[in-house]
Amino acid sequence: GAVVSQHPSWVICKSGTSVKIECRSLDFQATTMFWYRQFPKQSLMLMATSNEGSKATYEQGVEKDKFLINHASLTLSTLTVTSAHPEDSSFYICSAWDRGRQPQHFGDGTRLSIL
Amino acid sequence: AQKITQTQPGMFVQEKEAVTLDCTYDTSDPSYGLFWYKQPSSGEMIFLIYQGSYDQQNATEGRYSLNFQKARKSANLVISASQLGDSAMYFCAMRVNNDMRFGAGTRLTVKP
Repeated sequence: GAVVSQHPSWVICKSGTSVKIECRSLDFQATTMFWYRQFPKQSLMLMATSNEGSKATYEQGVEKDKFLINHASLTLSTLTVTSAHPEDSSFYICSAWDRGRQPQHFGDGTRLSIL
Repeated sequence: AQKITQTQPGMFVQEKEAVTLDCTYDTSDPSYGLFWYKQPSSGEMIFLIYQGSYDQQNATEGRYSLNFQKARKSANLVISASQLGDSAMYFCAMRVNNDMRFGAGTRLTVKP
């Protein structure tokens, strides 16, 4: 069964709306959670890495104010796409890792469509 | 900086035959992990196999095996006895410390 739950799996909303995506580790405590973005027929691009209780580390070129990440507990991380626009439409996928435990598990992803 | 390369955008294989998907990597860190994931059209990332940089033997998981050649910095995935359900995107990934990066992926199509 799934060890990482990501919700929602599909979002369609109007331009200007803020969208929150949740990522939960179900049967382990995730010391680190990762957020990736994937465009059609491309690879996963790391957006940010977050450790529980500390600020996320963003990759170069990722807007911190656009993509807010909160890792409030060892089992929950959220990604909020603020004031979303059509160019933010993409597949977002989270991953959770417990240091010393293999492998890194992924959620099922969220397809975000901004109209 | 670490880099991971998959040079085969697409591969075809006949059902029941074996196929090798290529992956090369580059890192200066002696401690790293290599992974292969399968991504079907539905989008979820399915873990297939893991190889640690200090592992002496090649990893195997059922029909999947990882051909780890450390000196060449390659970590090719071998799928034996291909099945129609193996058709998907396959990503090679490398983790160094807290950082996991993916290759560009290879789309595998299994022909009946």
